[in-house]
Amino acid sequence: AQSVTQPDIHITVSEGASLELRCNYSYGATPYLFWYVQSPGQGLQLLLKYFSGDTLVQGIKGFEAEFKRSQSSFNLRKPSVHWSDAAEYFCAVDLKRGGSQGNLIFGKGTKLSVKP
Amino acid sequence: DTEVTQTPKHLVMGMTNKKSLKCEQHMGHRAMYWYKQKAKKPPELMFVYSYEKLSINESVPSRFSPECPNSSLLNLHLHALQPEDSALYLCASSQARASSYTGELFFGEGSRLTVL
Repeated sequence: AQSVTQPDIHITVSEGASLELRCNYSYGATPYLFWYVQSPGQGLQLLLKYFSGDTLVQGIKGFEAEFKRSQSSFNLRKPSVHWSDAAEYFCAVDLKRGGSQGNLIFGKGTKLSVKP
Repeated sequence: DTEVTQTPKHLVMGMTNKKSLKCEQHMGHRAMYWYKQKAKKPPELMFVYSYEKLSINESVPSRFSPECPNSSLLNLHLHALQPEDSALYLCASSQARASSYTGELFFGEGSRLTVL
C-alpha cells in the first residue's frame, strides 16, 4: 500500500541552526511529492513540490527539498531556521487517482520547535 | 490571507443535530476537497469534487453528506454524528485539468467541530 513516513515526530533546533526533516514514501511509481506547513489552528500552506526534472527544488520561506529516487526520499532542508518556522510540517504524496489530482496522502507530520 | 473561506470556524453540535459546513473559493478552481484532521494527526481525504461532480469518496460514513452546488461552493452536511467525529474539517481547492494542474492545494483555515 502507498504510504508516507516521517520518522521524526518532534524536532527542536536552535534559531539560526540548519534543519533537515525526513520523508520517505512507498509507491509504485514516482508520485507527485509535496511539503506542507501548518501553524497552530491554521490550514496548510504549500512549501514546495516535486513533479519531475531537477531533483533539488526550491520553495517559499527559504526551504528546499531533494528528491532521491534510490532512497524513496524527499527530505526538507533549511540552512538557517527562524523562530517563525515553528510549526507542523507534513510530507505528502499525490496518488494521481480519479482523473483529477490533489488526492493527497499525508505523513504523520513533524512538529518543529525553535529555541531562541 | 487565505483565499478559501470556511464557515463556521467553530461548531458544537449534539448527536441528533443537523448542521452544515460551508466552503467558498473564488480562484476559478474546478476541484474541491474535504479533509478531516483529528488532533495531532495528519489530514485524511474524505471527498473530492471535480467539475462539481463527486469523483472520490473515501468510504466516508453516510452521516457526512457533501454537496457542490456550483464551482465556487462546497458544503458538508452533518447529521447524527458521533463524538469521535470531532475534528478539524479542512476544505481545499485546486486546478482540476491535468494540463493546468500545478500541484498546489489551497486550504482554508478549517472548521473545528465538536460533537457532544
